[in-house]
Amino acid sequence: QSVLTQPPSVSAAPGQKVTISCSGSSSNIGNNYVSWYQQLPGTAPKFLIYENNKRPSGIPDRFSGSKSGTSATLGITGLQTGDEAHYYCGTWDSNLSAGVFGGGTKLTVV
Amino acid sequence: EVQLVESGGGLVKPGGSLRLSCAVSGFTFSLYSMNWVRQAPGKGLEWVSSISSGGTYIYYADSMKGRFTISRDNAKNSLSLQMNSLRAEDTAVYYCARSSYSDSSGYLEIDYWGQGTLVTVSS
Repeated sequence: QSVLTQPPSVSAAPGQKVTISCSGSSSNIGNNYVSWYQQLPGTAPKFLIYENNKRPSGIPDRFSGSKSGTSATLGITGLQTGDEAHYYCGTWDSNLSAGVFGGGTKLTVV
Repeated sequence: EVQLVESGGGLVKPGGSLRLSCAVSGFTFSLYSMNWVRQAPGKGLEWVSSISSGGTYIYYADSMKGRFTISRDNAKNSLSLQMNSLRAEDTAVYYCARSSYSDSSGYLEIDYWGQGTLVTVSS
C-alpha cells in the first residue's frame, strides 16, 4: 500500500487531454516538492516533472504539473499513442525521512 | 552523456546476501545525491535508499533498515548497495538513480536512471 494514492488507470482518446491525480498528506506532498515519472513498457522510468510544475529539458509542454495542498496533478494534452505508459508521482516524506512513490497509473490512449 | 550502469544482480537464496554496484559516467559524481529504487515484477516503483553527495546523509525505507547498506566511493565514481538477510519480497529490478540535488533530504527528484539489475530471491 503506497503512501501516495494514484488511480490505477486512466484512458482517453488520441488528441484529448487527461489528468492523473496523486494524493498524500501534510508530511509529504503538503510540504515537499512533487516529481513525476513516465515508464514506458520494458524501460527505466523517465524524469517528467520536478518541483511540482517544472519540465526538464526535452520534455514537451504537453506535459504539465500542479500542486494544491496535499494533492498533485499531472496533465497531458494532445494525447498520442506513444504516451501509453505508467506514470508515477514521487516526493519526500518528512515524517518517514524517506522518499515515497505513488502506486502508479496506467495510461491507455484508445 | 550521463550513464548509470548497475551490476551484481542474480539469484540468491532467502537469508543470503548480495552486493549491487553502479558505475557512473558523464557527470561529476561527487556533486550529486544518489538513490536506489526497486520495482518488483509487475509492480510499482519503491524507493529504497539515498546517500548525499559526500556520504554524510543516508536514508532508508523502513523495510530495508538494518538489512541494506548504501555506500559510495567518489574517487571511483561508484555507488553500492549491500543487501543482507534477503527475503522473497526483495525480488525486484534495482535501479541506480541520480538525484538532481547534492543533499536529497527533503527531496525526491530523480533525473537519471540506470537500466536496472534483477535480483531474484528464491530457494
